[in-house]
Amino acid sequence: GQQLNQSPQSMFIQEGEDVSMNCTSSSIFNTWLWYKQDPGEGPVLLIALYKAGELTSNGRLTAQFGITRKDSFLNISASIPSDVGIYFCAGHKNSGYALNFGKGTSLLVTP
Amino acid sequence: GAVVSQHPSWVICKSGTSVKIECRSLDFQATTMFWYRQFPKQSLMLMATSNEGSKATYEQGVEKDKFLINHASLTLSTLTVTSAHPEDSSFYICSAQGDREIEKLFFGSGTQLSVL
Repeated sequence: GQQLNQSPQSMFIQEGEDVSMNCTSSSIFNTWLWYKQDPGEGPVLLIALYKAGELTSNGRLTAQFGITRKDSFLNISASIPSDVGIYFCAGHKNSGYALNFGKGTSLLVTP
Repeated sequence: GAVVSQHPSWVICKSGTSVKIECRSLDFQATTMFWYRQFPKQSLMLMATSNEGSKATYEQGVEKDKFLINHASLTLSTLTVTSAHPEDSSFYICSAQGDREIEKLFFGSGTQLSVL
């Protein structure tokens, strides 16, 4: 599947700081999803976005589906140590097909 | 969210042996299951897509005779790594898609395979 361009590749921040990461594609996507993966575990779905311009929150996490349908961002506010992990964006070009994944953003949070 | 159970969590085997990994959807029927492979510090790479009752569709470069996929029921898919070699060592993750909210994929906890 097509790889999405996800940035930054890694982030090293202090507890309490806000975090922002984004994902872009050369193709239009119908759905954007954000996952978090802890070491040795499978990805866990954080937020799903279904239409252009949609802004959705899940606790301290906020994600938006870009107007052009070719990008999405994820914000984490007031980070805490348990936010540590790898965050992946993923998108569907068409429903029912496998997800295309970004390369991930590795987040480290120091107390 | 829906629960996907994957077993075993980790397996160590000798070169030349076969290993079977199971993926079960516990509280929903999975019309489609996907198998991914992940190397350290890399993204998930799709290996194959399986639909219940039909042959799996493999991605380019994935050997179908080496990675046997069976999706015999709406709640179970298996991946068998045949005649495993050290280069097959990797983290394998399954995901399942139900008949509702089909845009969402729910992932198993992964299987770390180490071939000696």
